Amino acid sequence: GAVVSQHPSWVICKSGTSVKIECRSLDFQATTMFWYRQFPKQSLMLMATSNEGSKATYEQGVEKDKFLINHASLTLSTLTVTSAHPEDSSFYICSARGLNNEQFFGPGTRLTVL
Amino acid sequence: GEDVEQSLFLSVREGDSSVINCTYTDSSSTYLYWYKQEPGAGLQLLTYIFSNMDMKQDQRLTVLLNKKDKHLSLRIADTQTGDSAIYFCAEKGGGADGLTFGKGTHLIIQP
Repeated sequence: GAVVSQHPSWVICKSGTSVKIECRSLDFQATTMFWYRQFPKQSLMLMATSNEGSKATYEQGVEKDKFLINHASLTLSTLTVTSAHPEDSSFYICSARGLNNEQFFGPGTRLTVL
Repeated sequence: GEDVEQSLFLSVREGDSSVINCTYTDSSSTYLYWYKQEPGAGLQLLTYIFSNMDMKQDQRLTVLLNKKDKHLSLRIADTQTGDSAIYFCAEKGGGADGLTFGKGTHLIIQP
């Protein structure tokens, strides 16, 4: 149980385009999901908290107009990187919160912006 | 902000026990976690401990928490080559939803 999937697993795009990443909880409902980014050989940094049916809460320094989050159902949250630039290249990982406040992570999405 | 610190590398011989240490600063931590990340992969939740517990054991894994010193450790008994990965310590504060991660400890297994 407690499986979280992400799609796509990797994406390469041109500078200036937008990219949507999906995060799904496959066998449980998650009212709260989280989006993290991880730079090479670095730790995970929380970007935002995604709440089903309400606006996401962004961490300090994360541009909400650039990283659009939509949590439209109890099993799906999406992160859209708008007008992506090379500095947005990173490993984006989502997680879904379980009943005991543990977080189950997806396999991550590697974004490369050319 | 809150901080979580870990050593960057730990090298052990196959069959020995590995002990990965972590310190944190948030005195209101409610949950502490250990995650495992293999190359190019996402994070796998290994175990977690509530802040009112001192110890938790799960098969080869033993978690020890010293809340007074804000010190968490993960012991892996009989370390195998498949245990080679980066191990992240993470904590959840009382008010926050997201987790604060350490930089991760590279566990290297020597044959």
